Amino acid sequence: NAGVTQTPKFQVLKTGQSMTLQCAQDMNHEYMSWYRQDPGMGLRLIHYSVGAGITDQGEVPNGYNVSRSTTEDFPLRLLSAAPSQTSVYFCASSYGTRGAKYEQYFGPGTRLTVT
Amino acid sequence: AQRVTQPEKLLSVFKGAPVELKCNYSYSGSPELFWYVQYSRQRLQLLLRHISRESIKGFTADLNKGETSFHLKKPFAQEEDSAMYYCALTQGGSEKLVFGKGTKLTVNP
Repeated sequence: NAGVTQTPKFQVLKTGQSMTLQCAQDMNHEYMSWYRQDPGMGLRLIHYSVGAGITDQGEVPNGYNVSRSTTEDFPLRLLSAAPSQTSVYFCASSYGTRGAKYEQYFGPGTRLTVT
Repeated sequence: AQRVTQPEKLLSVFKGAPVELKCNYSYSGSPELFWYVQYSRQRLQLLLRHISRESIKGFTADLNKGETSFHLKKPFAQEEDSAMYYCALTQGGSEKLVFGKGTKLTVNP
């Protein structure tokens, strides 16, 4: 099993550009989520999904969109990149629709810089 | 709202010394609490959860509902324990997992 995979590993964007961060898992997990990690701020939940076709907002959803068309994939879209979105982004997945209660399996992260 | 506080950004101890990483939470119900760890160049991973009441790599954590705390302890720190540690919380019916800001532990030789 590859577990949780994320692409790309690194990305540099100019302000105003859009892009999609990819996340996939092969563990048949229902619950998937996106976090951003910033120095001194810890991990903050951006969006999460409890199953295909169901998504909801986390703590810091502004400027980001998600969709969940399959169980395996949970892409994160930056609509118009801003320097404040410079961060390391982590995708995670977990067993069950109440996935927050269970062990989160994290991807390796995507380091995004917006200039 | 659920909130997790880790009061120490940085914690430095010597090898063999006891270590305690503090975690306090604000939630009046029955929370589910976790400690996650991120070693250098590795993925974030679960260290332990209060429900399992187990010891992992010599670490333990006890949920104290009276003090709303879930401190992580190890009696004798090792250099390989150097890492970033995050406390996390979810409430029974929530679908959200909330993390603290993390504590960077350095164990000096």
